[in-house]
Amino acid sequence: GENVEQHPSTLSVQEGDSAVIKCTYSDSASNYFPWYKQELGKRPQLIIDIRSNVGEKKDQRIAVTLNKTAKHFSLHITETQPEDSAVYFCAASTSGTYKYIFGTGTRLKVLA
Amino acid sequence: GAVVSQHPSWVICKSGTSVKIECRSLDFQATTMFWYRQFPKQSLMLMATSNEGSKATYEQGVEKDKFLINHASLTLSTLTVTSAHPEDSSFYICSASGTSGSGDTQYFGPGTRLTVL
Repeated sequence: GENVEQHPSTLSVQEGDSAVIKCTYSDSASNYFPWYKQELGKRPQLIIDIRSNVGEKKDQRIAVTLNKTAKHFSLHITETQPEDSAVYFCAASTSGTYKYIFGTGTRLKVLA
Repeated sequence: GAVVSQHPSWVICKSGTSVKIECRSLDFQATTMFWYRQFPKQSLMLMATSNEGSKATYEQGVEKDKFLINHASLTLSTLTVTSAHPEDSSFYICSASGTSGSGDTQYFGPGTRLTVL
């Protein structure tokens, strides 16, 4: 069935360094890839998304890249800050179903 | 924009009772709503998808007679956990997509923490 793998499961970086989280999806029909940030006990918040007709998208310190051929997409956070500490989830969706398949999550810890 | 509310935020109930959770889209019309369950330190697991006015589509392994979903209007969906047992204790989160932003984007509610004693 459809599957999204996410790595790493935990990631610790020093404040100011960059963090990269990678996801791989299995369904070649997937065409929408959102990233969510979830703080403990709170709702997932959309931080950035990308569609299959675009290879890269950037929003200030956050960027997402997509390699359709390899079915890979990655989240890049630059100049990390302690408030970036949270769990990050990637997801893949297919237009028409609007159903998300979530990755397993990455717990990011930014050390001050 | 794109605000989704959920009520209650937490509930404690006795084993065997039923619990209803409401999910509302406050500033847009939610043509599709999703219900997820999230256990501690785990990812969000989709339970079911509901379109306004239609029966919900349940994911494999989710008992439709135990988790009753109603999506009677474009702003409200409800999840009823019937005859709840301790193993149903979890964080239940709804999301909605529709007329806000792109149709693909799901906006999440704040979640309901259910504890069954």
